[in-house]
Amino acid sequence: AQKVTQAQTEISVVEKEDVTLDCVYETRDTTYYLFWYKQPPSGELVFLIRRNSFDEQNEISGRYSWNFQKSTSSFNFTITASQVVDSAVYFCALSDSNSNSGYALNFGKGTSLLVTP
Amino acid sequence: EAGVTQFPSHSVIEKGQTVTLRCDPISGHDNLYWYRRVMGKEIKFLLHFVKESKQDESGMPNNRFLAERTGGTYSTLKVQPAELEDSGVYFCASSWGDGNTIYFGEGSWLTVV
Repeated sequence: AQKVTQAQTEISVVEKEDVTLDCVYETRDTTYYLFWYKQPPSGELVFLIRRNSFDEQNEISGRYSWNFQKSTSSFNFTITASQVVDSAVYFCALSDSNSNSGYALNFGKGTSLLVTP
Repeated sequence: EAGVTQFPSHSVIEKGQTVTLRCDPISGHDNLYWYRRVMGKEIKFLLHFVKESKQDESGMPNNRFLAERTGGTYSTLKVQPAELEDSGVYFCASSWGDGNTIYFGEGSWLTVV
């Protein structure tokens, strides 16, 4: 069974719009970690955030914010006032004790975000 | 502090040839991972080292893939002989410990023709 679901394959917005990327996860563990990574056109995977399962406090970092809700097993990512440079593929990932060793990451399929001027 | 570095960044080889990818993790990170993303698919775990020991190689697709981590420092991933379906991007990542943030390199883009 897929552990991380990113239902949105592609999203296209116009610059300055707000956009939310959805992530739903599945785990039986009480201790787990959630991540978001950004893959810009250059190809590297850029770490954005790590959240452990005991910390449901939402986080804001500049134009980025994350909404972690255990009740719905969701960890959604919102970009406020999007910019062209936000265009990238965004991956949500989960690690738990049932992951491969070392709490390796289980990735969602990614959401491709295109921000047009 | 240097991040995870990978070499080569791009490689184009013919089917049947051999390619060796190298990864230098962040200094002090005992955990080293290899992942890959083939075209149109999600990023998949290949294997995990703790220092020089392979902890889990359940994600390795077949015995044409061989990973090593000599002395617990850098790691190599060899594909021999390469097949067309091996084309994709191979990511190396490292972390300080289990459950800690996993940092990725820029990836090695492999094209097998």
